Amino acid sequence: DTEVTQTPKHLVMGMTNKKSLKCEQHMGHRAMYWYKQKAKKPPELMFVYSYEKLSINESVPSRFSPECPNSSLLNLHLHALQPEDSALYLCASSLRPSGTSTDTQYFGPGTRLTVL
Amino acid sequence: SQKIEQNSEALNIQEGKTATLTCNYTNYSPAYLQWYRQDPGRGPVFLLLIRENEKEKRKERLKVTFDTTLKQSLFHITASQPADSATYLCALDRKDSSYKLIFGSGTRLLVRP
Repeated sequence: DTEVTQTPKHLVMGMTNKKSLKCEQHMGHRAMYWYKQKAKKPPELMFVYSYEKLSINESVPSRFSPECPNSSLLNLHLHALQPEDSALYLCASSLRPSGTSTDTQYFGPGTRLTVL
Repeated sequence: SQKIEQNSEALNIQEGKTATLTCNYTNYSPAYLQWYRQDPGRGPVFLLLIRENEKEKRKERLKVTFDTTLKQSLFHITASQPADSATYLCALDRKDSSYKLIFGSGTRLLVRP
C-alpha cells in the first residue's frame, strides 16, 4: 500500500465550528506533514511529526491543532477559522525525518476547506 | 532570503516536442532537489530526485539536470503527450537547516494534441 488517504475530500465550515481533518498511511513512514496550499501557490509547510512527536511548527496560528495518535494517523483539528484559511490542506509522509534524509514525500489527495 | 523561482507563465507546446522547465534558486545550499507533478485539486506526486553531486538523472521520458554553480535545475519531458499537462513543482531541502522541503510556485505545462 503506497497511498496516503485524507478525509474528508471537501469541508465547508462556519467560523464558529470545530472540525477535524484526517490523514492515514500504512507504508511504515515515521514522518508525517501538514501543508496548506492556496490557489496557484506552492504548498506551504505547517507541521512536521517525527516518530509521533511534533518536531516543526511553522508558526501556525493556534486555531490549527495537529495530533498524531499513532504512527499511521495524523489529524488536524480546526477551530474558529477565518475565511482566509480556505485552502487545500495536504497531508504527506516520508520514510524518515532527518536533516540528511533524501526521502521523498508521498502526498494525499488533500481536503478542500472552505470557511464561510 | 531564500528564493526558488519557476516560470510563472504556462508553457504551451505541441505533442511530441520536448518540454523544458526551469527552477532557479538563490541563497540556498540544497543537498538535493526534487521534481513533483501536481494535477488540479490533487496532491503533488513525486517524479525525480537529484543530489548536489549529480549532474543528471533520467527516468523514462524524464530528465533532470542540476547545476549548483548556476543554482539551476532543468526538467525535460521528451516526446511530450497531452497526458503530461499538469503543474510541475521543484522542491529543495536545506542542508544547513532542519529537514524541510521548500516548494517553488510551479510551472503549468500544456501539451496540445
